[in-house]
Amino acid sequence: EPEVTQTPSHQVTQMGQEVILRCVPISNHLYFYWYRQILGQKVEFLVSFYNNEISEKSEIFDDQFSVERPDGSNFTLKIRSTKLEDSAMYFCASSLKGSGNTIYFGEGSWLTVV
Amino acid sequence: AQTVTQSQPEMSVQEAETVTLSCTYDTSESDYYLFWYKQPPSRQMILVIRQEAYKQQNATENRFSVNFQKAAKSFSLKISDSQLGDAAMYFCAYRNYGGSQGNLIFGKGTKLSVKP
Repeated sequence: EPEVTQTPSHQVTQMGQEVILRCVPISNHLYFYWYRQILGQKVEFLVSFYNNEISEKSEIFDDQFSVERPDGSNFTLKIRSTKLEDSAMYFCASSLKGSGNTIYFGEGSWLTVV
Repeated sequence: AQTVTQSQPEMSVQEAETVTLSCTYDTSESDYYLFWYKQPPSRQMILVIRQEAYKQQNATENRFSVNFQKAAKSFSLKISDSQLGDAAMYFCAYRNYGGSQGNLIFGKGTKLSVKP
């Protein structure tokens, strides 16, 4: 069964450093997402991406975050200058179509900022 | 804004027994989708079951079924013949239909333990 894959599975970074989390969505999917889950809290939406542009973003997704689809398969989340509170599990997800379609999640990238 | 509430932080069930996890939501929309996701200790989010609001029939996937009460805005998950592998966090989620891309709105989750 096709799946969303994410790398790295775990990254430790120093505060202030830039981090790039990578994702390969399911191949025929057109909508891509990033979600975040701080330890012990609920999963929160960050951003959705369609047709090479951001279609929706949450208040969490401020100027230090950016997303990119650099080629036909990868989808990346960049955190420009990490803060301690950015420590969380970051989930990439994709769906074939937009609203209403099932969103499939990757296994997550666990980011620890020290 | 839409909200999702899971009032049971933790639940426990005996292996082979049945357990029901509760979820309520608030929305002014008439068309939407509801989901249950499972998050085992590996922390991957795995889709368990989905329900379209326009469908009156409750969704079923093997041992998993839902009780969807649209008027009451309730969406509970029933797990029959519970297995040790069902132990996980279960998240109820809501997604709008139409309009914006519609992100998923999650509840806080219910931690399910399965006793052998």
